[in-house]
Amino acid sequence: AQKVTQAQTEISVVEKEDVTLDCVYETRDTTYYLFWYKQPPSGELVFLIRRNSFDEQNEISGRYSWNFQKSTSSFNFTITASQVVDSAVYFCALTKGTSGSRLTFGEGTQLTVNP
Amino acid sequence: SAVISQKPSRDICQRGTSLTIQCQVDSQVTMMFWYRQQPGQSLTLIATANQGSEATYESGFVIDKFPISRPNLTFSTLTVSNMSPEDSSIYLCSVGGTGAYEQYFGPGTRLTVT
Repeated sequence: AQKVTQAQTEISVVEKEDVTLDCVYETRDTTYYLFWYKQPPSGELVFLIRRNSFDEQNEISGRYSWNFQKSTSSFNFTITASQVVDSAVYFCALTKGTSGSRLTFGEGTQLTVNP
Repeated sequence: SAVISQKPSRDICQRGTSLTIQCQVDSQVTMMFWYRQQPGQSLTLIATANQGSEATYESGFVIDKFPISRPNLTFSTLTVSNMSPEDSSIYLCSVGGTGAYEQYFGPGTRLTVT
């Protein structure tokens, strides 16, 4: 069985602060994929990144960066110099390495960036 | 990524009635998924819908309550039947496909049952 844990239910920061959202996963599959999604107040889920289990390289996209560590089963997400527009619920998700497999979501972290 | 639309975007319904939610994709996709997101909660998969076959339901969800149609590769419907206030949720469809491990989501349908 797969499981994703996002221990931080809510995080509140002041604009321009850096913030890290934690994600820990459990799976017995050797091939799997990890994702981060953003859900702004409008409700739509926005795909941010995909990472497969064989690629532990960290990734940076603008102010966003992701740290994938198989040794600790973690896939953390850092926002540098946060902005008010970053306020949203962020979900970490996991799927096995078969196309079209179901996504297992974490409980989500509500990030509030205050001006 | 595919462009996905859902209708209606929101609705307020009376208990005991049914609502059909439509999901339209701008390209042909093999698999479509329906999720429920109860207030303040994470997403829970209701069922997987492949064109030309019966939908596969997750534990806790049954066809009589959530019948699904998938008439072609760009369209699907989810019906929420005999609604109760506990069905108040956001319902989202998503698409995946061969070689695509991520899923892309529609804007969701916000349902309130009174």
